[in-house]
Amino acid sequence: QKEVEQNSGPLSVPEGAIASLNCTYSDRGSQSFFWYRQYSGKSPELIMFIYSNGDKEDGRFTAQLNKASQYVSLLIRDSQPSDSATYLCAVTNAGNNRKLIWGLGTSLAVNP
Amino acid sequence: KAGVTQTPRYLIKTRGQQVTLSCSPISGHRSVSWYQQTPGQGLQFLFEYFSETQRNKGNFPGRFSGRQFSNSRSEMNVSTLELGDSALYLCASTEGGVGGGYTFGSGTRLTVV
Repeated sequence: QKEVEQNSGPLSVPEGAIASLNCTYSDRGSQSFFWYRQYSGKSPELIMFIYSNGDKEDGRFTAQLNKASQYVSLLIRDSQPSDSATYLCAVTNAGNNRKLIWGLGTSLAVNP
Repeated sequence: KAGVTQTPRYLIKTRGQQVTLSCSPISGHRSVSWYQQTPGQGLQFLFEYFSETQRNKGNFPGRFSGRQFSNSRSEMNVSTLELGDSALYLCASTEGGVGGGYTFGSGTRLTVV
């Protein structure tokens, strides 16, 4: 079982719709959760981070964390073609030797 | 504030050669991490340096090494290059803790022929 799993996609949504991206993780002691966006040929850029159970909103983006289910999601409201990218989920592992564990990413295509 | 700067942007090397990549973090950021990204494997963690000390290491062979200088700039070295080392090498910096978000550089695209 991979430590951080994401559906590779592609996830295709029409412009203006809500895009829902999901991520599950295996380390129950994980404490920090991040969503990055990576455009083709570019480096990842941080969109959101969340530490506590519940929702965290920032503009059109909402991160949702459920530690009991070991599940973190990213909702993108009013999706735009410019949101078309790969979305990477990253999770810190537990223990003293903490590092970021990355999912392989979900490709999102927003169709005009 | 300047971002994370990686040099060079592109590099073509021959099998068996060695290569050194450079990363200058955001001013004030003391942690620098290095990643290898390939289409099939995604982002693979190489190592992290904090205050000139390697704080964490991924599962790469000893041909991959790095160091960090007192000004937080970091270098990564790959010796005896193999075709499979062709990848995008990304550097990311953060102020200190792993719990903070990373800022990535534009990467170095290494091609081994």
